[in-house]
Amino acid sequence: DSGVTQTPKHLITATGQRVTLRCSPRSGDLSVYWYQQSLDQGLQFLIQYYNGEERAKGNILERFSAQQFPDLHSELNLSSLELGDSALYFCASSSDRATWSYTFGSGTRLTVV
Amino acid sequence: AQSVTQLDSQVPVFEEAPVELRCNYSSSVSVYLFWYVQYPNQGLQLLLKYLSGSTLVESINGFEAEFNKSQTSFHLRKPSVHISDTAEYFCAVRTSYGKLTFGQGTILTVHP
Repeated sequence: DSGVTQTPKHLITATGQRVTLRCSPRSGDLSVYWYQQSLDQGLQFLIQYYNGEERAKGNILERFSAQQFPDLHSELNLSSLELGDSALYFCASSSDRATWSYTFGSGTRLTVV
Repeated sequence: AQSVTQLDSQVPVFEEAPVELRCNYSSSVSVYLFWYVQYPNQGLQLLLKYLSGSTLVESINGFEAEFNKSQTSFHLRKPSVHISDTAEYFCAVRTSYGKLTFGQGTILTVHP
């Protein structure tokens, strides 16, 4: 157990639908990062939150959004889903004392049918 | 912006043979370098890192990597691999303030 919890582990949904992926960071970590892993794109950075505020944005589609709540858990919302959104979505967290040290969760595997 | 290139998408080797997984990066500023390992159906785990100091860094399970600034490389090596080393390995780079950028990954398959 890495200390980063992602739910659900698997998700199957239809095109056009909306889903929410949840991430609880390691205790004490203020930063949360979301990554998408697919066969054709590899590991792509989506977005970073720090203590509730958006800190950096990567290759995140407009159909996707995220937020970090006061208890520091984060949610990634994916809407108007397309077949190409099928991927593994990882959350990672890091602390202020070691911002270079990312701890990854085990991921949510999203399948869009 | 920084980028990472892993030169081999797949590396098959026999057990107890040496292996090298190649990684080159590009960045206009100083970087931190990392190797992560991903076992099937699991998340990424940090294998080793270069932040500063000695250019040769080692992991607890026998892997090592050497930071070569002139060649902008951070190749991962192990003198003798085990079946249990079969996994996907990712090289990654970040600047002091930036995000972690990953290479495309190298699948290491160790055959008996």
